[in-house]
Amino acid sequence: DADVTQTPRNRITKTGKRIMLECSQTKGHDRMYWYRQDPGLGLRLIYYSFDVKDINKGEISDGYSVSRQAQAKFSLSLESAIPNQTALYFCATSDLVSNQPQHFGDGTRLSIL
Amino acid sequence: GNSVTQMEGPVTLSEEAFLTINCTYTATGYPSLFWYVQYPGEGLQLLLKATKADDKGSNKGFEATYRKETTSFHLEKGSVQVSDSAVYFCALSDQDSGGGADGLTFGKGTHLIIQP
Repeated sequence: DADVTQTPRNRITKTGKRIMLECSQTKGHDRMYWYRQDPGLGLRLIYYSFDVKDINKGEISDGYSVSRQAQAKFSLSLESAIPNQTALYFCATSDLVSNQPQHFGDGTRLSIL
Repeated sequence: GNSVTQMEGPVTLSEEAFLTINCTYTATGYPSLFWYVQYPGEGLQLLLKATKADDKGSNKGFEATYRKETTSFHLEKGSVQVSDSAVYFCALSDQDSGGGADGLTFGKGTHLIIQP
């Protein structure tokens, strides 16, 4: 089983729809992150969370919201999707105590028509 | 702010060729530096890291040395294989923890193609 699981893996939807991408982890890490990847732009940080009660905006948080429902779960929502949010989205985790670099899920490919 | 600049691709090499992918960075403080690799259809995997100046990270025949004087972290491999074909990302964390506490800053990625 994957340590960091993202669902769905692929999603096609229409402009204006509400979308939720989910991430769960079995690594026991405190910290979780959402990134988006666009061709030629690399990965950019959307939001991150250090624990259940801590949410922080990243570089490109506009148009997104997140929820840290439990230590193991971190969901990303697009309240009203628009075409320029079409991208590949990655969830990642890291652990302060073990001081290990971030560990990534396999990604969710989101297309907004 | 922080930034990472890496050479644009695609980079196309023949099998057994020598590989260099350049990466330079701008950061405050003393960042940790990383190379991640992304194979088709997969997420990013950590390839190697270095947390302080003059450290050399190495893994699977790849290596990179943290050069503070030139703010660089170039990725090298002596003899590439077809299986090394992937997208490579240079990244930094501006926390001196190695864990990317506040999120990683990534370069745009370099697509490497190795031909048999």
